[in-house]
Amino acid sequence: DIQMTQSPSSVSASVGDRVTITCRASQGISRWLAWYQQKPGKAPKLLIYAASSLQSGVPSRFSGSGSGTDFTLTISSLQPEDFATYYCQQANSYPLTFGGGTKVEIK
Amino acid sequence: QVQLVESGGGVVQPGRSLRLSCAASGFTFSSYAMHWVRQAPGKGLEWVAVMSYDGKKQYYADSVKGRFSISRDNSKNTLSLQMNSLRADDTAVYYCAKGREWERGGWFDSWGQGTLVTVSS
Repeated sequence: DIQMTQSPSSVSASVGDRVTITCRASQGISRWLAWYQQKPGKAPKLLIYAASSLQSGVPSRFSGSGSGTDFTLTISSLQPEDFATYYCQQANSYPLTFGGGTKVEIK
Repeated sequence: QVQLVESGGGVVQPGRSLRLSCAASGFTFSSYAMHWVRQAPGKGLEWVAVMSYDGKKQYYADSVKGRFSISRDNSKNTLSLQMNSLRADDTAVYYCAKGREWERGGWFDSWGQGTLVTVSS
């Protein structure tokens, strides 16, 4: 199975800050990676797929990059509605696996 | 718009069975693979199972293989998860999710609101 490691596990940031979350795969997955946002009590929401493609309706302040084993999710200017937990997911092969999550908290 | 509505969750004793359902609308259900993903209380996301758009292929997480069975009825736009021999560590919110690029693995572009399964004596 492909293991996904996210860092940091939590980050404190202020509105307007640039936030970067990293995700590392235990083996190469090309660009088969997705990012999700989850707010408390809600279902996850797809933000980014194929490492850098923005899902329809997602604000352009979200961006993804990387390939192979190392990936990054960047929020260019944090907004109040962005405080949530973010998960990466490898989409390369079954079983599909997620990172442990990164909680973005208000500083 | 895409709508996925799960049902069937509840409290069940260890070793017993439960069947979850997911009613889909707003898209051509028979054209998309469908997944189940779960989340234990306070924990991260765990993929559970997938069924191909035509019902001919399915894959399972090792943690549920041999105990859970995924199925679909394309005439009724419904996805199901039959869960047998339930254990305490199956306690979670179960989400159904619409899949993209499923043959390789893929991602989930729409999710239901989830249904809570609690396994406890």
